[in-house]
Amino acid sequence: EVQLQQSGPEVGRPGSSVKISCKASGYTFTDYVMNWVKQSPGQGLEWIGWIDPEYGSTDYAEKFKKKATLTADTSSNTAYIQLSSLTSEDTATYFCARCRRGDFDYWGQGVMVTVSS
Amino acid sequence: DVLMTQTPVSLPVSLGGQVSISCRSSQSLVHSDGNTYLHWYLQKPGQSPQLLIYRVSNRFSGVPDRFSGSGSGTDFTLKISRVEPEDLGVYYCLQSTHFPLTFGSGTKLEIK
Repeated sequence: EVQLQQSGPEVGRPGSSVKISCKASGYTFTDYVMNWVKQSPGQGLEWIGWIDPEYGSTDYAEKFKKKATLTADTSSNTAYIQLSSLTSEDTATYFCARCRRGDFDYWGQGVMVTVSS
Repeated sequence: DVLMTQTPVSLPVSLGGQVSISCRSSQSLVHSDGNTYLHWYLQKPGQSPQLLIYRVSNRFSGVPDRFSGSGSGTDFTLKISRVEPEDLGVYYCLQSTHFPLTFGSGTKLEIK
């Protein structure tokens, strides 16, 4: 059974960074690209970017190029997103989602990040 | 960026009824490989989005045949027949033909 288990909720101070994880199981981690999606409170979905765990190659939506850093650890089958220079605009739920052939077939449960002083 | 326009924003429905949701893109979603990468998701309250339809008209594993997708080019439709309580939530379309990937703004299906 494919599962994407994300880490717990985070609280970060303005200007700081947070790093959240997405542990994959039930499939070969390096066979699928991992995407990250942002959902601000009460809002829709925004694509942040993706990482190919096999090669470590990444691509980001322009808006997130200076905000997010995607990495992957193939030894633990875990993908990560680091969010830097936090502001109130970064308060949101962040999902990881496996990319099959352009569609996101399995999603993590989401991680709530709250930016607060 | 490709703009995905979803209508309506809110869709009241009676249980057992049928509804359609529209998703229109600002440019054609036909990829150079011949495929059209337009997908539909349902996000139930408090849950992650779940894949319903991929590449316009293909139902994902376990999705009831009450859900169907159609369309081409820039104009796509999700139809839900015999609406059940478990169908309530927000529906999103996603295009992955063009970079960056973009979602529609969502359609909330609620009981009339």
